[in-house]
Amino acid sequence: DQQVKQNSPSLSVQEGRISILNCDYTNSMFDYFLWYKKYPAEGPTFLISISSIKDKNEDGRFTVFLNKSAKHLSLHIVPSQPGDSAVYFCAATYHGSSNTGKLIFGQGTTLQVKP
Amino acid sequence: NAGVTQTPKFRILKIGQSMTLQCTQDMNHNYMYWYRQDPGMGLKLIYYSVGAGITDKGEVPNGYNVSRSTTEDFPLRLELAAPSQTSVYFCASGVGLSNTIYFGEGSWLTVV
Repeated sequence: DQQVKQNSPSLSVQEGRISILNCDYTNSMFDYFLWYKKYPAEGPTFLISISSIKDKNEDGRFTVFLNKSAKHLSLHIVPSQPGDSAVYFCAATYHGSSNTGKLIFGQGTTLQVKP
Repeated sequence: NAGVTQTPKFRILKIGQSMTLQCTQDMNHNYMYWYRQDPGMGLKLIYYSVGAGITDKGEVPNGYNVSRSTTEDFPLRLELAAPSQTSVYFCASGVGLSNTIYFGEGSWLTVV
């Protein structure tokens, strides 16, 4: 049962344009969402996060949007740069009495930004 | 500025052999995790620990064991290696409630 889904395995965009990566989730208990970026032969690194009390969080060129009613979030990268080429993982978790900081990850989307 | 360190980086095992993947962190994080990444499958949680002496199963624990005798170390033991355990293994640590976890560089394991 895939609780976090990234339905697009890959995305290719031109340098300078917008990249939009999508993520859907099924567990309504999730209240915190994160995006991680992974380069080949390296571990994932934290990129940006959003709490369920917000619908948008921005950090420089990166913006994450959350639509709770649709159980959908998206990561926007504007403008896209060749160095952004990587695998992007969406992750979710929830706070609660049994919170353990565990993250549930999607399958990942490979972004290629062409010069 | 080491962060999360995993060893070995690469290993080839024969079916039925056993080995331990080492993980240590120097950030004094209470929470530690082992994930595996298979192609097209994202990251799956194997085991996790919320503090020294406390461990629990994740989504895919079968074939693995862990221990947490200190805050810094969280080794992952593979007993009787099987081809299905060919994967990239990532150790991670965090402070729990902040939900941001920090990953090591990964260990590539091939079982033949």
